[in-house]
Amino acid sequence: GAVVSQHPSWVICKSGTSVKIECRSLDFQATTMFWYRQFPKQSLMLMATSNEGSKATYEQGVEKDKFLINHASLTLSTLTVTSAHPEDSSFYICSARVGDSSNSPLHFGNGTRLTVT
Amino acid sequence: GIQVEQSPPDLILQEGANSTLRCNFSDSVNNLQWFHQNPWGQLINLFYIPSGTKQNGRLSATTVATERYSLLYISSSQTTDSGVYFCAVTPTGSGNTPLVFGKGTRLSVIA
Repeated sequence: GAVVSQHPSWVICKSGTSVKIECRSLDFQATTMFWYRQFPKQSLMLMATSNEGSKATYEQGVEKDKFLINHASLTLSTLTVTSAHPEDSSFYICSARVGDSSNSPLHFGNGTRLTVT
Repeated sequence: GIQVEQSPPDLILQEGANSTLRCNFSDSVNNLQWFHQNPWGQLINLFYIPSGTKQNGRLSATTVATERYSLLYISSSQTTDSGVYFCAVTPTGSGNTPLVFGKGTRLSVIA
């Protein structure tokens, strides 16, 4: 149980275009989902917290107008990279947990590798 | 915020060798997880271990929460164990809060 599905696995886009990444909790409901970003040879860094039915909260240094997050249902959160540039090329990975307490494991999707040319 | 330090940063092992990876954290936690990230980027959850000891095959982990560290043991290493091992924690507190990751240990197992 507790599977998080992320789509697409990889995407290549041209500079200036927008890309949408979907994150779904397949067998549980998630009022909160977390989006991380990982640059090559680095660790995972939290970008934003997605909250169902309300605005996402962004970490310092993450542009909310560039990385649009929509958590429209209890099983789906989307991250849209708007007007993508080569420096946005990275590995994006979402996560969620069963329940609303930190006393349970966080489950991760398989990630999306974004390349902006 | 909480600091998570992993050591060693890099490790090269001969196949069949044993190893211990360490994770130190700067504050009390109510969640600690160990992950293995494979070459394709997939994050494999190894252990959810905020305290105590667990074993899964050739892997085991121990967290001593009062002393703020956790250890991951790999025995009889295989080439498929290669990759990056991350420790991640959630500080003690209320609500649904994210994991904070260490910088990882990059393991290479050679035949």
